[in-house]
Amino acid sequence: DIQMTQSPASLSASLEEIVTITCQASQNIGNWLAWYQQKPGKSPQLLIYGTTSLADGVPSRFSGSRSGTQYSLKISRLQVEDIGIYYCQQASSTPWTFGGGTKLELK
Amino acid sequence: EVQLVESGGGLVQPKGSLKLSCAASGFDFNSYGMSWVRQAPGKGLDLVADISSKSYNYATYYADSVKDRFTISRDDSQSMVYLQMDNLKTEDTALYYCTADTTGIDYFDYWGQGVMVTVSS
Repeated sequence: DIQMTQSPASLSASLEEIVTITCQASQNIGNWLAWYQQKPGKSPQLLIYGTTSLADGVPSRFSGSRSGTQYSLKISRLQVEDIGIYYCQQASSTPWTFGGGTKLELK
Repeated sequence: EVQLVESGGGLVQPKGSLKLSCAASGFDFNSYGMSWVRQAPGKGLDLVADISSKSYNYATYYADSVKDRFTISRDDSQSMVYLQMDNLKTEDTALYYCTADTTGIDYFDYWGQGVMVTVSS
């Protein structure tokens, strides 16, 4: 199975700050990567798919990128509604696997 | 509006059985794959089982941890997906989400609210 390693496991940031979360794939997954946001007490929501494509309704302050087998989620100006846990997921080969999550909190 | 509504969770003893149901609406259910993803308390997300559409012959996938114990199925006429869980173990305790892949490229773009399954004696 492809392992997805997220870092950091937790992150504390201030409003309006730039936040970057990374996800390292254990092998080549091309651009078959998604990011999900899970707000406290809620179901996960698709944020980004295909490494860089924003899902419907996702604010433009979110963006995704890739360098080799390392993938990044960037929030350009952190807002209070962005607090939650972020997960990456590879869709390159079955079984689809998730990263362990990054908990984003306000400083 | 897409809706996925799970039901059937609860408390069950080890080695017991439960059947989860998911009622889907608001999209062309017949055309897309459906999955069950679970989240143990305070933990991350794990794909449990997946079933493709008729176009892909209703192919199924199971995580190794549930293979031979869980069965995923779907009823396209009712827009329902099910997860039959047998020989439950304490480590199956989790919130189970029904998910839909309407992207067609193996991303989970819709999620239900989740249904809790607790396996305990």
